[in-house]
Amino acid sequence: AQSVTQLGSHVSVSEGALVLLRCNYSSSVPPYLFWYVQYPNQGLQLLLKYTSAATLVKGINGFEAEFKKSETSFHLTKPSAHMSDAAEYFCAVSGWAAGNKLTFGGGTRVLVKP
Amino acid sequence: DAGVTQSPTHLIKTRGQQVTLRCSPKSGHDTVSWYQQALGQGPQFIFQYYEEEERQRGNFPDRFSGHQFPNYSSELNVNALLLGDSALYLCASSPETWTGRVSGSADIQYFGAGTRLSVL
Repeated sequence: AQSVTQLGSHVSVSEGALVLLRCNYSSSVPPYLFWYVQYPNQGLQLLLKYTSAATLVKGINGFEAEFKKSETSFHLTKPSAHMSDAAEYFCAVSGWAAGNKLTFGGGTRVLVKP
Repeated sequence: DAGVTQSPTHLIKTRGQQVTLRCSPKSGHDTVSWYQQALGQGPQFIFQYYEEEERQRGNFPDRFSGHQFPNYSSELNVNALLLGDSALYLCASSPETWTGRVSGSADIQYFGAGTRLSVL
């Protein structure tokens, strides 16, 4: 079984400040890990994915995430927040098998203050 | 290249009614998954269709059923609607082909904008 826990349902950051969103996972098989972003009234857009090639993964819009197996974590960071980063962010896990269903965390809503 | 498209965008039904939601996958994708996203929560996996058959199913009752057509498009049907079925329903597609697996894209699901269902 797989599960994802996102610490903090809401995060408020100032424009230009570091964005840090926390994600911890549980998986009985080597995981594939993803971060998706959801803007209001829209579907989910993939930010980045980890599939065992490299522990530090760079994604779109300046985001990156680091896979730490010992901590079962996959935290998302961005060095400098922009107003356009205001959205909801979801961490998700799947396994390498036929039927790649995603198990999502509860999401973290990011508010960017000017 | 059109992405994943869903219809309708919004729907209002009353308890006990039945509803059908539709999804067209991204070009080149043959696998379709459906998710339910209740307000303030992360998406929950309903089921996945591949080669016109249900391949995996999440923890949803039999009132939720689906279908995949030869052109890979899909429908989600919900019978005997309950107030708790009110949610955003998301469709996602991925390429299950050998090419998709070799390129590493088979594990990426691309989402549509969703259908917002309100049950009154």
